[in-house]
Amino acid sequence: SAVISQKPSRDICQRGTSLTIQCQVDSQVTMMFWYRQQPGQSLTLIATANQGSEATYESGFVIDKFPISRPNLTFSTLTVSNMSPEDSSIYLCSVGRGTTEAFFGQGTRLTVV
Amino acid sequence: TQLLEQSPQFLSIQEGENLTVYCNSSSVFSSLQWYRQEPGEGPVLLVTVVTGGEVKKLKRLTFQFGDARKDSSLHITAAQPGDTGLYLCAGAKMGSSNTGKLIFGQGTTLQVKP
Repeated sequence: SAVISQKPSRDICQRGTSLTIQCQVDSQVTMMFWYRQQPGQSLTLIATANQGSEATYESGFVIDKFPISRPNLTFSTLTVSNMSPEDSSIYLCSVGRGTTEAFFGQGTRLTVV
Repeated sequence: TQLLEQSPQFLSIQEGENLTVYCNSSSVFSSLQWYRQEPGEGPVLLVTVVTGGEVKKLKRLTFQFGDARKDSSLHITAAQPGDTGLYLCAGAKMGSSNTGKLIFGQGTTLQVKP
């Protein structure tokens, strides 16, 4: 497994502002992913954070709204831009290492008011 | 699109009862995982099943992968209040081995009352 730390763990933000979420892994990993979990629902993949190249976004998610950085093999950030109340969710960072399994950070609970 | 249908979505039972959660798809997955998530935490991996027909046991939890690798089940024997949580099945897309990129079912919220 891997130890994955996410910051912040929670935040309350004003609509129209942006929030950057950080994900730090305790070892180098090839693949890092960002998921969204809306209240009472399951996880939806936002994008794959690729080291050294642009992130790969899933259908329904765009770079202007969710810019992602991956400067090295242990760190990634997800920004939620121009937030609205509909963006209130838990945002989760995960890593896959050598298998099809995923390991998750504790998540960032975002509330937009 | 590969979808995973999980059922039931909500389950409230008394301590000591048995239960089964199902995860079904019309598509074949290279593997299926089961996760458990508690409030304020990320999902924690319970098990991965890879081979069709495979059965894995983890204490009171029994996991099964369908012969055709399209479905899976989680059976809990003699449930305890500590089993309360959100249970998620997730599948690895075909052709996505060694990536950790997953499709998740809708989740089953389990409440075990003392």
